[in-house]
Amino acid sequence: EAQVTQNPRYLITVTGKKLTVTCSQNMNHEYMSWYRQDPGLGLRQIYYSMNVEVTDKGDVPEGYKVSRKEKRNFPLILESPSPNQTSLYFCASSPRSGQGNSPLHFGNGTRLTVT
Amino acid sequence: TQLLEQSPQFLSIQEGENLTVYCNSSSVFSSLQWYRQEPGEGPVLLVTVVTGGEVKKLKRLTFQFGDARKDSSLHITAAQPGDTGLYLCAGVGFGNEKLTFGTGTRLTIIP
Repeated sequence: EAQVTQNPRYLITVTGKKLTVTCSQNMNHEYMSWYRQDPGLGLRQIYYSMNVEVTDKGDVPEGYKVSRKEKRNFPLILESPSPNQTSLYFCASSPRSGQGNSPLHFGNGTRLTVT
Repeated sequence: TQLLEQSPQFLSIQEGENLTVYCNSSSVFSSLQWYRQEPGEGPVLLVTVVTGGEVKKLKRLTFQFGDARKDSSLHITAAQPGDTGLYLCAGVGFGNEKLTFGTGTRLTIIP
């Protein structure tokens, strides 16, 4: 089944403790992206990747890191999480580099709470 | 920054009623996508509208792209409980092809 898989689904951590949220897609998509979703703000892009070893900042990249060493994986790293990073996070992928009219396929989300 | 405002933010109606959700911007987009998100899941694409003035139908859902490509609407006829969810519009920018999501409309259909 074609899908985007995120892990974990739920995560509660403390301020300053490094964490990684994994994302993997099995559709051979070139483009991958991370979003955070907060009430009333919609989905805001954190980082995106047009292809392997190519990553770029989205609208809200502060406090986050990503890597794209393989086509299928795009982990999101929080080196020193803070409470304002408490949010619902989504990984997404699409077939082609660049978004254009290419639809995004989303994972089921990771709900992160930083205390 | 291109902003997409959706209205209403929340909508709760009885099964069988009709409704319209709006997606408005001061920016022009090359195309516009509509997604539906159900609790515990990620958004799923419903439709993409590409041409100014374009109307697309998906069963009881009718999507329209404004003539000026700055706005879009989603009309649902005879709403069903299965239509409950968060509806998100997303505009694709010219040139940079950046996707900007709207603020969302949370729809609840009461049986």
